[in-house]
Amino acid sequence: GENVEQHPSTLSVQEGDSAVIKCTYSDSASNYFPWYKQELGKGPQLIIDIRSNVGEKKDQRIAVTLNKTAKHFSLHITETQPEDSAVYFCAAPRGGGFKTIFGAGTRLFVKA
Amino acid sequence: DTGVSQDPRHKITKRGQNVTFRCDPISEHNRLYWYRQTLGQGPEFLTYFQNEAQLEKSRLLSDRFSAERPKGSFSTLEIQRTEQGDSAMYLCASSFTGYEQYFGPGTRLTVT
Repeated sequence: GENVEQHPSTLSVQEGDSAVIKCTYSDSASNYFPWYKQELGKGPQLIIDIRSNVGEKKDQRIAVTLNKTAKHFSLHITETQPEDSAVYFCAAPRGGGFKTIFGAGTRLFVKA
Repeated sequence: DTGVSQDPRHKITKRGQNVTFRCDPISEHNRLYWYRQTLGQGPEFLTYFQNEAQLEKSRLLSDRFSAERPKGSFSTLEIQRTEQGDSAMYLCASSFTGYEQYFGPGTRLTVT
């Protein structure tokens, strides 16, 4: 089957704290795992991604980790800032095709 | 700005009317995707083009929906005989590698 589950659906943190969002996928042939940030009235923006041959990738305050055995990957945001408040989506391509399956999203609130 | 552009940004139409949306991808990107996003959900894949060839269509794309990319550059998505259930944000994305997808701002359709 093809499914990407994301949790939590809502996350509220204090400015400066860390935030972690988790996703699981079902297609073992998936080999690319992006994370998108969507602000109100805008399209999703790619913020970080990881390919299946790597376990972790970091870009300044954001990082993504991948566990292929367990079929899950996570987004980590450290030192959160109010401008990190947005909806975050994970995604995974369906193996053998061009379709990308998105999670349902996590609404992150960073309180100043 | 050389990002993905979509036109119009908003469309209000009466049930039963036909609507057409346009997407202009990033110029060197030969891959183009259409998605539909409803409130509180992640983008749902509709269709994929590589150059002018439509290589994959979701079963969400009923016979009232048609997409074209005649010269491998811009793409159009037409919805015939619109229904209230078609109300959503229609997103276009383009890619050079087939991995990273860059989204436009979307067209918000409201069917009254």
